[in-house]
Amino acid sequence: DTGVSQNPRHKITKRGQNVTFRCDPISEHNRLYWYRQTLGQGPEFLTYFQNEAQLEKSRLLSDRFSAERPKGSFSTLEIQRTEQGDSAMYLCASSYQGASEQYFGPGTRLTVT
Amino acid sequence: TQLLEQSPQFLSIQEGENLTVYCNSSSVFSSLQWYRQEPGEGPVLLVTVVTGGEVKKLKRLTFQFGDARKDSSLHITAAQTGDTGLYLCAGKFMEYGNKLVFGAGTILRVKS
Repeated sequence: DTGVSQNPRHKITKRGQNVTFRCDPISEHNRLYWYRQTLGQGPEFLTYFQNEAQLEKSRLLSDRFSAERPKGSFSTLEIQRTEQGDSAMYLCASSYQGASEQYFGPGTRLTVT
Repeated sequence: TQLLEQSPQFLSIQEGENLTVYCNSSSVFSSLQWYRQEPGEGPVLLVTVVTGGEVKKLKRLTFQFGDARKDSSLHITAAQTGDTGLYLCAGKFMEYGNKLVFGAGTILRVKS
C-alpha cells in the first residue's frame, strides 16, 4: 500500500531563487491538496485539485506560488523569487472525492536563507 | 480569533497517567479528524468522526464528538512514551468547502 510521497524532503535555497516540489498522491485518489505549516502552528490550506482541475486557492497563495496537476496524477508546487517568509513545511494530502479523510505525505521542509 | 481552538497547548505527563485534549469551534463541523504528527513528518490520521455524540476507540485512545458537532475530545489512557507527539484536530465546515481547517495542536510529552 503506497502512501503519499513528496520530493524533495528538504530544500535549502537562497532568497530570490525559484523552487519546485513534487507530490505523488495515493493512486486511486482524485483529490490532491497542498498545505503549509510553520513552526508551532497547524497546517494551513493553500490549494486543491480534483483530477487536473484546480478548484480552490487560498489567499495565502500569492502570485509567486503556482501549482499544477497536469494529468490528474502527481502535482507540483512552484515558488518563484523565494522570500525568507516562505520557509515552512509544505505538505501534500490526497483523498477520494467526497471523503472526509485526507492522507498526508511526509512533507518538504523549505529553508530560505 | 481562530476558527478552531485546541487546549492545552502543551502537556507533559509521566508514563501511565491519563490525559484529555480538547478541540472547540464556534461553527458546526461537517466532519472532524484527529491527527498525530512527529517532528519532521506529515500528520498521520488517527480517526474521523461525523455524527454528533459519536464515540470511537483506538486501543488506548478514545475520541468523542460533541452532540452539537462543535467540539471534540481525545482521551489517552495509561500514556506511553510512544504517545509523545503533536496532536492536531482538523475539521471541515460547510461554509469552507473541502479544505481542512486545523487547530494549532497540543504538544504531548510522555516521560518515562
